[in-house]
Amino acid sequence: NAGVTQTPKFQVLKTGQSMTLQCAQDMNHEYMSWYRQDPGMGLRLIHYSVGAGITDQGEVPNGYNVSRSTTEDFPLRLLSAAPSQTSVYFCASMVRGPGNTIYFGEGSWLTVV
Amino acid sequence: TQLLEQSPQFLSIQEGENLTVYCNSSSVFSSLQWYRQEPGEGPVLLVTVVTGGEVKKLKRLTFQFGDARKDSSLHITAAQPGDTGLYLCAGALGGKLIFGQGTELSVKP
Repeated sequence: NAGVTQTPKFQVLKTGQSMTLQCAQDMNHEYMSWYRQDPGMGLRLIHYSVGAGITDQGEVPNGYNVSRSTTEDFPLRLLSAAPSQTSVYFCASMVRGPGNTIYFGEGSWLTVV
Repeated sequence: TQLLEQSPQFLSIQEGENLTVYCNSSSVFSSLQWYRQEPGEGPVLLVTVVTGGEVKKLKRLTFQFGDARKDSSLHITAAQPGDTGLYLCAGALGGKLIFGQGTELSVKP
């Protein structure tokens, strides 16, 4: 049981480049989300999905796109990377409802130069 | 503006001391969770509180959910160096899980 798998773990991008952070879960969870973590800011929600074909914006969606074509996968796309997007990114999944555990991936460290 | 305000943001104490971390909001949450995160890793769930006024204990850690389900606290008794880490509260709101900005705790031997 792999849980939540994120790739890549580390990435350096040049300003203006595009890339996709991959996220996959094998627990058949309906809810998946992407967070970014910056010093002193906790985890901020970028985008989330409550099921295949459904996505919605979180607290800081600008500069990021997502899609949810299957229950398992929830990729995060940076169309034109900016230095302000340098951060640690976490993908997470859970079964919706009060008190349910959220499972995090191991994180992706992204640097935009 | 942060939907969930955690305080203090930084806390440095000596081994054996007690401490309390607060998580406050003007919004009502269906549940609230506390996480602990070590450097280089993702957050790990400590506890979930669901009912207003609920108190849960995990060894030396005591978690309380406010009666109105807008706030929560984490109290650590006799802190140990192994308690060092980033503590995060997170609230379920409208189908989303929103995090506070975290409390960086350092316990010195």
